[in-house]
Amino acid sequence: AQSVAQPEDQVNVAEGNPLTVKCTYSVSGNPYLFWYVQYPNRGLQFLLKYITGDNLVKGSYGFEAEFNKSQTSFHLKKPSALVSDSALYFCAVRGDNYGQNFVFGPGTRLSVLP
Amino acid sequence: NAGVTQTPKFRILKIGQSMTLQCAQDMNHNYMYWYRQDPGMGLKLIYYSVGAGITDKGEVPNGYNVSRSTTEDFPLRLELAAPSQTSVYFCASSSPGNEKLFFGSGTQLSVL
Repeated sequence: AQSVAQPEDQVNVAEGNPLTVKCTYSVSGNPYLFWYVQYPNRGLQFLLKYITGDNLVKGSYGFEAEFNKSQTSFHLKKPSALVSDSALYFCAVRGDNYGQNFVFGPGTRLSVLP
Repeated sequence: NAGVTQTPKFRILKIGQSMTLQCAQDMNHNYMYWYRQDPGMGLKLIYYSVGAGITDKGEVPNGYNVSRSTTEDFPLRLELAAPSQTSVYFCASSSPGNEKLFFGSGTQLSVL
C-alpha cells in the first residue's frame, strides 16, 4: 500500500524567512514524489517532482524539495517566503509498481505573514 | 490553450438524483483521472483511464461510473446521489512518462 503523511495542518512563517513544509511517505518499490499547490477556488498546480537522480529537486516559484530515502521524507523548502506563497500544499507519491495510482497527502496550509 | 476543462463549476442535487460531471482535455494526454477532495482529507482517486476504452477503479469508486470513448473526454457519472458524495471533484490528465498531473478547476457538488 502507498501512503503520504503531512504532519502539520498549518505552517505560519514571516515574509522573508525560510519555509519548510514536511512530507513523509510509505511505498513499496521506488517512489515517484511530487508537490502541488492549490490556491483558493482553483485546481492543483504542479510545483516539482522527484523521479530519480539528484536528491535536491528545484521547481517552480523558487521552491525546492529534498528527497531523503533513509527517512522516507520529501520536505518542501523555500529560502525566502513571500506573502503570495500562502496556499494549500499537497505532497503526493506513486510507487513505480502501482500503475497510475497517485496518492495525495491531506495538505498543509501555509500562511506567510507580512 | 484550455488545458483541462470541467463543467459545471457548481451543482446542487437532491438525494437520489443523477448527473454527469464533464471533463475534457486538449493536450492529447493518454491518462485521465477523477479525484474528490474533502476537507482535511486530501484528494482521493475515484477512477482513472490510461486510454480510450480503458478505465480502472481507484480508492473510492463506489457510487460512481466512468467511460472513456475518446482521448479527450472522461465523464464521471453519479447514478443515485447521496449526501456522502458532497465534495469538490477534480479531473486531471497526464501523458505517459511525464508524471505531471494537469488539473481542471473543479466542480463543487452538494447533495441535499
